[in-house]
Amino acid sequence: GAVVSQHPSWVICKSGTSVKIECRSLDFQATTMFWYRQFPKQSLMLMATSNEGSKATYEQGVEKDKFLINHASLTLSTLTVTSAHPEDSSFYICSAWTGQYYGYTFGSGTRLTVV
Amino acid sequence: AQTVTQSQPEMSVQEAETVTLSCTYDTSESDYYLFWYKQPPSRQMILVIRQEAYKQQNATENRFSVNFQKAAKSFSLKISDSQLGDAAMYFCAYRPPNFGNEKLTFGTGTRLTIIP
Repeated sequence: GAVVSQHPSWVICKSGTSVKIECRSLDFQATTMFWYRQFPKQSLMLMATSNEGSKATYEQGVEKDKFLINHASLTLSTLTVTSAHPEDSSFYICSAWTGQYYGYTFGSGTRLTVV
Repeated sequence: AQTVTQSQPEMSVQEAETVTLSCTYDTSESDYYLFWYKQPPSRQMILVIRQEAYKQQNATENRFSVNFQKAAKSFSLKISDSQLGDAAMYFCAYRPPNFGNEKLTFGTGTRLTIIP
């Protein structure tokens, strides 16, 4: 089945620094990648949709300058949390549409802790 | 805008018994996709089952089946012969028609506990 590999699975960074999260589609071409944020015991909140070769579309209320998304190839999308602060600590998940049968496939998630 | 409602924040069931998780949604579309995803403690999202709205037959995947009531906009998940490994958060999700970059709308989730 279609697999999305997400790295790192866990990262701690200091306040004010930037962190990059990568999602790679291993056996299919992901023309569209979705980025979610999930708070403990809550549902997934869509942050942005990225399409290969074009600018990401951000959901209302998501700071574009803080959460930089790049989708430079059909197999790689990245989320960079810039100037991270403790309130950015969360679980971030990427997802891609794989086609009709498999639907969406999700990365394993990244737990970000900003100290 | 589409909305997905899961009215049961938590459910529990005895091992080997059957449990049904509820989901309702709101849409003006006639063709769409519905999904149930499982998120175990590892937090990896796993597809449980999917349903295309144009199909009248309810989807089934081994111990998992759905009761899709299109007119009522209801999409419940039935888990038969519950197992300890079924313990997880379950999310109902809606996808509008068209290919490509259509985003999922998730419900708030139901936490399922399996009692040994």
